[in-house]
Amino acid sequence: DTGVSQNPRHKITKRGQNVTFRCDPISEHNRLYWYRQTLGQGPEFLTYFQNEAQLEKSRLLSDRFSAERPKGSFSTLEIQRTEQGDSAMYLCASSLGQVLSYTFGSGTRLTVV
Amino acid sequence: ELKVEQNPLFLSMQEGKNYTIYCNYSTTSDRLYWYRQDPGKSLESLFVLLSNGAVKQEGRLMASLDTKARLSTLHITAAVHDLSATYFCAVAPRMDSNYQLIWGAGTKLIIKP
Repeated sequence: DTGVSQNPRHKITKRGQNVTFRCDPISEHNRLYWYRQTLGQGPEFLTYFQNEAQLEKSRLLSDRFSAERPKGSFSTLEIQRTEQGDSAMYLCASSLGQVLSYTFGSGTRLTVV
Repeated sequence: ELKVEQNPLFLSMQEGKNYTIYCNYSTTSDRLYWYRQDPGKSLESLFVLLSNGAVKQEGRLMASLDTKARLSTLHITAAVHDLSATYFCAVAPRMDSNYQLIWGAGTKLIIKP
């Protein structure tokens, strides 16, 4: 297992377009998280899945954002009608059981122009 | 609202010197994490501290936790250039069932040869 994989690594999109990111967690990890990180800041929590169930969503996750984790494996994060303020690094992390360690992916850097 | 504050936010130091990064948080927590992030890279787990008085060391880095003071420190001993990175602390709020982490803004550490 090579860790948490995120695709694409970079995405440049025009304002108003829709984008989708993918996260493949470590295979035996049942918990999956999405965070957003802007330059010079720490990550901000977006949403959390336990297996296929989305159990928590941040207020940061507006109606334009949606996340899924079908079958409790990979996850997708879609942003509709992107805005310049959506430009950020989107990080995915996974963990197992009692959370002593989260493993983060390399992130997807989104630039909205 | 749980807040996590790190200081300093920026630190430039010479190789061989010692220094400490501070992480204060505003409410009770049962887990505190330290992560390292290199430019353009993902977050690497350094330490997780679970109880008052916990101390963990790895190489030139040592982390400690004082839950009564709501303070964690990351001490760097005899710094070397390879430790240049941004260091984040993150706190898991007690009784929070989704294991969301609240992050500090990060301390950018530059170690000059």
